[in-house]
Amino acid sequence: AQRVTQPEKLLSVFKGAPVELKCNYSYSGSPELFWYVQYSRQRLQLLLRHISRESIKGFTADLNKGETSFHLKKPFAQEEDSAMYYCAPFYTGGFKTIFGAGTRLFVKA
Amino acid sequence: EAGVTQFPSHSVIEKGQTVTLRCDPISGHDNLYWYRRVMGKEIKFLLHFVKESKQDESGMPNNRFLAERTGGTYSTLKVQPAELEDSGVYFCASSQRRSDYEQYFGPGTRLTVT
Repeated sequence: AQRVTQPEKLLSVFKGAPVELKCNYSYSGSPELFWYVQYSRQRLQLLLRHISRESIKGFTADLNKGETSFHLKKPFAQEEDSAMYYCAPFYTGGFKTIFGAGTRLFVKA
Repeated sequence: EAGVTQFPSHSVIEKGQTVTLRCDPISGHDNLYWYRRVMGKEIKFLLHFVKESKQDESGMPNNRFLAERTGGTYSTLKVQPAELEDSGVYFCASSQRRSDYEQYFGPGTRLTVT
């Protein structure tokens, strides 16, 4: 079965510090890789997807196929980045998203 | 453009009662998904519609859950009879085409079974 691991439930950093949210996924048919974010009192929304290779709100995600990881990074965290982040590979074989447990990022002033 | 909408936003029912959740996807989106997050656990896939057809309902917990998508537009998820362990947040998401894997999520319905 497909499995997504986000080892940190909570990550607390100071404003301006670098942040890395880890994600490891099980390999099954080359999933499309996404990060979704949920800000307080807002709905889940797409943050970025690997295929577009864009940097969104300063975040990037590095795919390492050998390690089956898709870690999310930002060099300088901002207070407005505080949110719940979900690593969410889309498995094209089963045509569904498998979510990690999520990491709550808290950026302190 | 209106996003995915869900109704109600919150429902509190007693064990044994019936509840029906509704999801209106973005207009023109053929793919519709239901997910659930039970307290303290990850968001889990329940099922997937393409238009009015169920493509995958492997995540449905048991036969107390019934999902429909009449005419390929809105979808309902009925829980009958509800049990305490059904409490959680139910999310709906939609996407446009078979090759469009990005999903647009609704705000969720928080279901509390007492």
